[in-house]
Amino acid sequence: EVQLLESGGGLVQPGGSLRLSCAASGFTFRSYAMAWVRQAPGKGLEWVSSVSGSGDITYFADSVKGRFTISRDNSENTLYLQTNSLRAEDTAVYYCAKDRGYRGSGAFDIWGQGTKVTVSS
Amino acid sequence: DIQMTQSPSTLSASVGDRVTITCRASQSISDWLAWYQHKPGKAPKFLIYKASSLETGVPSRFSGSGSGTEFTLSISSLQPDDFATYYCQQYNSYPWTFGQGTKVEIK
Repeated sequence: EVQLLESGGGLVQPGGSLRLSCAASGFTFRSYAMAWVRQAPGKGLEWVSSVSGSGDITYFADSVKGRFTISRDNSENTLYLQTNSLRAEDTAVYYCAKDRGYRGSGAFDIWGQGTKVTVSS
Repeated sequence: DIQMTQSPSTLSASVGDRVTITCRASQSISDWLAWYQHKPGKAPKFLIYKASSLETGVPSRFSGSGSGTEFTLSISSLQPDDFATYYCQQYNSYPWTFGQGTKVEIK
């Protein structure tokens, strides 16, 4: 069964950091780009970042550029999102999503259940 | 950035109704459009890609159409499991962007 399982969310103070993880199973992880998409309370979905299958090509939304880093460990079938300098507006449920393509087609066919990040003092 | 605008924001319908959701792009995206279904506390579900291609396993009552800047998602006969929020998403160019969502609720 194809599955994505996120972890690492929690409560963090403004300016703090969190490392989100996404464990993948049931498909050839290295063959697909991966992404993070978030949903703030009461809001819609917002794409955050994508990484190619090899991990050498990354893209970020302007709202997180310079603060967030995306990476992957293809030997461990795990995707990461390092979030630094967190702000209240980063509060959201963060979803891990599998892209349909290797370089990043942009269509996401498998999603995890999400991990909640709350930025508050 | 390409802006995606969905209408309506909320749609009240009954089981068995045909429903249609519209999604408009601020510039042409060819047919690089996906649709997702999202229920509270659940993982979003991929329904349609390339504007009109049905993902494997998605019921045939769902269909998509359009190209350029105007797109629609239709559900031919609404089922109890279909009450959810639906999002369109363009993947023509970065940053990928979603519509604000259309909540389909029970009338």
